[in-house]
Amino acid sequence: SQTIHQWPATLVQPVGSPLSLECTVEGTSNPNLYWYRQAAGRGLQLLFYSVGIGQISSEVPQNLSASRPQDRQFILSSKKLLLSDSGFYLCAWSMSTDTQYFGPGTRLTVL
Amino acid sequence: GQNIDQPTEMTATEGAIVQINCTYQTSGFNGLFWYQQHAGEAPTFLSYNVLDGLEEKGRFSSFLSRSKGYSYLLLKELQMKDSASYLCAVRFTTGRRALTFGSGTRLQVQP
Repeated sequence: SQTIHQWPATLVQPVGSPLSLECTVEGTSNPNLYWYRQAAGRGLQLLFYSVGIGQISSEVPQNLSASRPQDRQFILSSKKLLLSDSGFYLCAWSMSTDTQYFGPGTRLTVL
Repeated sequence: GQNIDQPTEMTATEGAIVQINCTYQTSGFNGLFWYQQHAGEAPTFLSYNVLDGLEEKGRFSSFLSRSKGYSYLLLKELQMKDSASYLCAVRFTTGRRALTFGSGTRLQVQP
């Protein structure tokens, strides 16, 4: 069966510091991968999605970037965090049915 | 735009039935998903509708009317553990393999 991992689970970072969040999927090949952000009490905002290694589509212009160095690895990064980057970051995967399955998430607080 | 509308909050009684509605823009519609999200946790997949009609899964059912741009999630025999947010998400045929999420309906089940 397929599983999806995210780390870290929680993170507190100062404004202006860099960020790296990692997501890995097991038990499947060539999945579609997604990064979402959820602000407190809000819906899910799609940040990036990827249909293959090195293929990244950005949905919202901002100070975040994403990379997919391996088939089942998706990384979310920032060079300088802003206060507004605080939120719950969710990675998800899907295959041909397009049903998306979410990882456990990373709760980021920028101070 | 691709607005998805659902009520912000609902309250229901343990053992009762509750219906959570979702309306969406019909142009480019290509499938609708319902997710459950407990506070502080990642969303989990509940149901998928692409054709008109009712899909039943135990205590949960989901209905779709494509011509009306309307779906509902029906929860029967409510339990306290059903207290959660319920997210409606739509796949549009815009060329990207991602979902557009509504802001979610927070359901509180009372004794």
